[in-house]
Amino acid sequence: GDSVTQMEGPVTLSEEAFLTINCTYTATGYPSLFWYVQYPGEGLQLLLKATKADDKGSNKGFEATYRKETTSFHLEKGSVQVSDSAVYFCALSDTGNQFYFGTGTSLTVIP
Amino acid sequence: NAGVTQTPKFQVLKTGQSMTLQCAQDMNHEYMSWYRQDPGMGLRLIHYSVGAGITDQGEVPNGYNVSRSTTEDFPLRLLSAAPSQTSVYFCASSPPGHLAGELFFGEGSRLTVL
Repeated sequence: GDSVTQMEGPVTLSEEAFLTINCTYTATGYPSLFWYVQYPGEGLQLLLKATKADDKGSNKGFEATYRKETTSFHLEKGSVQVSDSAVYFCALSDTGNQFYFGTGTSLTVIP
Repeated sequence: NAGVTQTPKFQVLKTGQSMTLQCAQDMNHEYMSWYRQDPGMGLRLIHYSVGAGITDQGEVPNGYNVSRSTTEDFPLRLLSAAPSQTSVYFCASSPPGHLAGELFFGEGSRLTVL
């Protein structure tokens, strides 16, 4: 079945450091891929998405490219801020009815 | 905008008790769903609904019931709570059309079963 494997955390970075969170997926069809972010005490919110191969999703300085050949959707940001501290979830949906989430990666950015 | 509203935010139950987690959305979304979030497990889909009167099981449906009598509401029922159901529960909805695939989440309900 469909699944998402996500880089284990927690990740601690200094402000302005480069961020990469790895995500790979398994799917029988051609899924849409997502990154969601969860700030402390809140629900998840969509950070970015890509709906087909080679698409690049971007938002708030974060980027991820849908790589069909490597079945990956790695999240990157060139310069993290303290306000980026949160838990990041990679997810996929094949039909729009069922979503599969990774286990989440906790990011802490220190000044 | 209210978005997706979940109640209660916190609840403590004893084993065997029943309760209902409420979820309401005011965005006229046809799709609604319930997830549980457990440490090291990510989010797992419990049940979902693609419209009023239609529900289906997700990855971990055992011990939970749902119904969808209106577009706005999608309650999750625990008929006989067990300690294994201690978790944080999230309701999420999704619009049709070109935005399909984006989930809008509530703030979560933390349930402890003793």
